[in-house]
Amino acid sequence: NAGVTQTPKFQVLKTGQSMTLQCAQDMNHNSMYWYRQDPGMGLRLIYYSASEGTTDKGEVPNGYNVSRLNKREFSLRLESAAPSQTSVYFCASTGLGNTIYFGEGSWLTVV
Amino acid sequence: DQQVKQNSPSLSVQEGRISILNCDYTNSMFDYFLWYKKYPAEGPTFLISISSIKDKNEDGRFTVFLNKSAKHLSLHIVPSQPGDSAVYFCAASASNDYKLSFGAGTTVTVRA
Repeated sequence: NAGVTQTPKFQVLKTGQSMTLQCAQDMNHNSMYWYRQDPGMGLRLIYYSASEGTTDKGEVPNGYNVSRLNKREFSLRLESAAPSQTSVYFCASTGLGNTIYFGEGSWLTVV
Repeated sequence: DQQVKQNSPSLSVQEGRISILNCDYTNSMFDYFLWYKKYPAEGPTFLISISSIKDKNEDGRFTVFLNKSAKHLSLHIVPSQPGDSAVYFCAASASNDYKLSFGAGTTVTVRA
């Protein structure tokens, strides 16, 4: 019963460094998402993938890239991290219907 | 521009009493609404939803009310329990768009 699994859970980066957040789901869901959560802002959509092989920008895509590697996996890459990208990142997926299932979050600090 | 708004950042309620969380939306295309609950250091978990064809949906202690004309929904928790202390997010989507728009969240604290 893993659901949505994302790694790493915690990461500290220096400004300008790059990193990739990994996400995998075992629910055979078609759609996958990356959200960020910031105080007072709720959850904001960074990128999403409606199905394997497709990706689209969400509300706040600048500074990020994504890869839908296969149906299970959807990764988020920060090419040159900035302090404004300090946040909690959530991967999510959904099958039929609009109920989204979230991973446990990745806490990223950029110094 | 936030399309889903939760104007109360926090709510404190005594155990056993009713908690009422409010949410407003601006996009008239939204027709599916959800509430998520989030504990610290965990991901949000689905709590309850409602389609625009209904004005009420109940699941145990949780009831969601939808007022389409006012573009307003609310979540009632009765009776409130200490384990209900969490952040609650309101979310909405349109039937032709599976993406969810979230509100900023309301932190509920249930006092013993």
